[in-house]
Amino acid sequence: QKEVEQNSGPLSVPEGAIASLNCTYSDRGSQSFFWYRQYSGKSPELIMFIYSNGDKEDGRFTAQLNKASQYVSLLIRDSQPSDSATYLCAVLQAGTALIFGKGTTLSVSS
Amino acid sequence: NAGVTQTPKFRILKIGQSMTLQCTQDMNHNYMYWYRQDPGMGLKLIYYSVGAGITDKGEVPNGYNVSRSTTEDFPLRLELAAPSQTSVYFCATRGVQETQYFGPGTRLLVL
Repeated sequence: QKEVEQNSGPLSVPEGAIASLNCTYSDRGSQSFFWYRQYSGKSPELIMFIYSNGDKEDGRFTAQLNKASQYVSLLIRDSQPSDSATYLCAVLQAGTALIFGKGTTLSVSS
Repeated sequence: NAGVTQTPKFRILKIGQSMTLQCTQDMNHNYMYWYRQDPGMGLKLIYYSVGAGITDKGEVPNGYNVSRSTTEDFPLRLELAAPSQTSVYFCATRGVQETQYFGPGTRLLVL
């Protein structure tokens, strides 16, 4: 079974700081990577996806992918209390279905 | 455009009872998925479908069955409910750029 690993946290950062969330995956053949945000009691919502090595920026969010190290990360700049949630890393397996990590809980204090 | 809808929102079952979790989408997506999420855990794939009439098992299919007679609907059937099936169930579809869209979830408690 292919695996996706994340630190469960909680990761605590002050308002305005950069939050760094990390994820590793076991299937070296994986090509597509996703970050979802999940508020308590809600369904996951897509934040970003990344396919190529390097950085991809979207507003305050930057996804970073390093396929050689099998590592994907999400940076959240200028963190806000509204960013407090669980962040799920997901990897597309065999082009068919997403395999999810257990998620990292982020807490942003004002 | 409702996206992905799921019913019911919450259900309590007794051990041994059966039920069907409904999932409907109006985005004309071929791929549909059922996940379960236990507290503090990520989502685990139960079953998926690549189109009407085609389904396949995911990571945790035991105790569940699915069917896909139309593009829009992908019901999940629980037979002989067990406490281990207490979970939140999410249905999802896959759109462009392999992005998955999730329904609001069904919270199931088996007592």
